[in-house]
Amino acid sequence: DGGITQSPKYLFRKEGQNVTLSCEQNLNHDAMYWYRQDPGQGLRLIYYSQIVNDFQKGDIAEGYSVSREKKESFPLTVTSAQKNPTAFYLCASHDRGRTDTQYFGPGTRLTVL
Amino acid sequence: GQQVMQIPQYQHVQEGEDFTTYCNSSTTLSNIQWYKQRPGGHPVFLIQLVKSGEVKKQKRLTFQFGEAKKNSSLHITATQTTDVGTYFCGPSSGSARQLTFGSGTQLTVLP
Repeated sequence: DGGITQSPKYLFRKEGQNVTLSCEQNLNHDAMYWYRQDPGQGLRLIYYSQIVNDFQKGDIAEGYSVSREKKESFPLTVTSAQKNPTAFYLCASHDRGRTDTQYFGPGTRLTVL
Repeated sequence: GQQVMQIPQYQHVQEGEDFTTYCNSSTTLSNIQWYKQRPGGHPVFLIQLVKSGEVKKQKRLTFQFGEAKKNSSLHITATQTTDVGTYFCGPSSGSARQLTFGSGTQLTVLP
């Protein structure tokens, strides 16, 4: 699970503000993902990207946007259109080697005040 | 996407007792992955199963994939306090290998 960093660890924002969560990886993985986790629940896929300059919506993309200008970076913007943004956000990247493993970053806990 | 159900949602055990969590799907899965998330932490990959009837062991952890590839289980023998956390299962699928997790089983081990 090393090699992926997310910042900040905790983030507070006021209603109506956009906020961008950072995700950087040095694992040379092509695929990157953003998941959302709510208390007592599993992960839900927000967006994913298989290569630079390309990304697809996941199951709950409404109110979120992403970019993938560099292989190492996949920032997520939580817009004011997201109705319930308070959650734990996890970024991951994918190793398509023998283990088909996803490696997760430490997460960002976003609280909307 | 492919949906999986995990049971139980919560489990409390006394240290030294065994623990089992189950992952069930209504459709045939090409694979199943298991992850562990410690309290306040992030999911960490444990294992992937791909073959019908496959059984894999990691020390006190035993993973099984059903013959019909619709269910899986994780069994922990003689639990320790270090086993505390939430265990998630789900397939990796699609061209981007995205994960579809169940809601997880939260394990508490009482000393």
